[in-house]
Amino acid sequence: AQSVTQPDIHITVSEGASLELRCNYSYGATPYLFWYVQSPGQGLQLLLKYFSGDTLVQGIKGFEAEFKRSQSSFNLRKPSVHWSDAAEYFCAGVLGTGFQKLVFGTGTRLLVSP
Amino acid sequence: DGGITQSPKYLFRKEGQNVTLSCEQNLNHDAMYWYRQDPGQGLRLIYYSQIVNDFQKGDIAEGYSVSREKKESFPLTVTSAQKNPTAFYLCASYTGGGWNTGELFFGEGSRLTVL
Repeated sequence: AQSVTQPDIHITVSEGASLELRCNYSYGATPYLFWYVQSPGQGLQLLLKYFSGDTLVQGIKGFEAEFKRSQSSFNLRKPSVHWSDAAEYFCAGVLGTGFQKLVFGTGTRLLVSP
Repeated sequence: DGGITQSPKYLFRKEGQNVTLSCEQNLNHDAMYWYRQDPGQGLRLIYYSQIVNDFQKGDIAEGYSVSREKKESFPLTVTSAQKNPTAFYLCASYTGGGWNTGELFFGEGSRLTVL
C-alpha cells in the first residue's frame, strides 16, 4: 500500500547535538516529499521539500534532508539542535495524481534536553 | 498580514450537537482543505475545495459537511453523525501550481472537545 512512515514516535536529543528524523515512503515512483514542523497547538510550517534533482535539500531553520531512492527514505537532519527546535515533525509525500494523494506520516515528537 | 484564520481556537460541545468551525483566508488562494489531527495518526484529509462552489470528500468525510460560497471562506460542520469528533482540526490553503512550486499554508487550528 502507498504510505509514508515515520518509525520514531518520540526522539530526545541534547541541545547542541545532531538530529536525524527518519521517514520512509512506499510508492512505485519518485514522490514529491515534504517535511513540516508543528509547535504545540499551532498549524504546520513547511521546512523543505524534494521533487527532483539534487538529493540533498536545504530548508529553513538550518534543516536539511536527503532523498535516498534505494532506501525509499527522506530523512531530516540538523547538525546542532536548539531548544526552540522542540516540536512535532511530519513527513509527507504526494503518492499519486491529485491533491488527495498528499499523505502525511504519523509524526515524530522531538524533545530537547538541556 | 496575509494568512489563514481559524476560529474558535477551543470549542466545547455536548454530544449530539452540530458545531461549525470557521476558516477564512486572505491569501487569494483558490484551493482550501480541512484536516483532522489525532495523536499518533498524523493528518487525515476531511474535505477539500479547489474552487468556489465545488468541494470533494477526502479520506474521512463521514459525519462532516462543508460549503464554499466565497473564495475566502471554507467552514466545516461537525455533525452529530460523526462518531468521535474530539480532535484538532486544521484548515489549509494552497498557493496553486504544481507541487514543485506550490505550498500549503496552515491555520493555527481549532481544538474541539465533545463532552
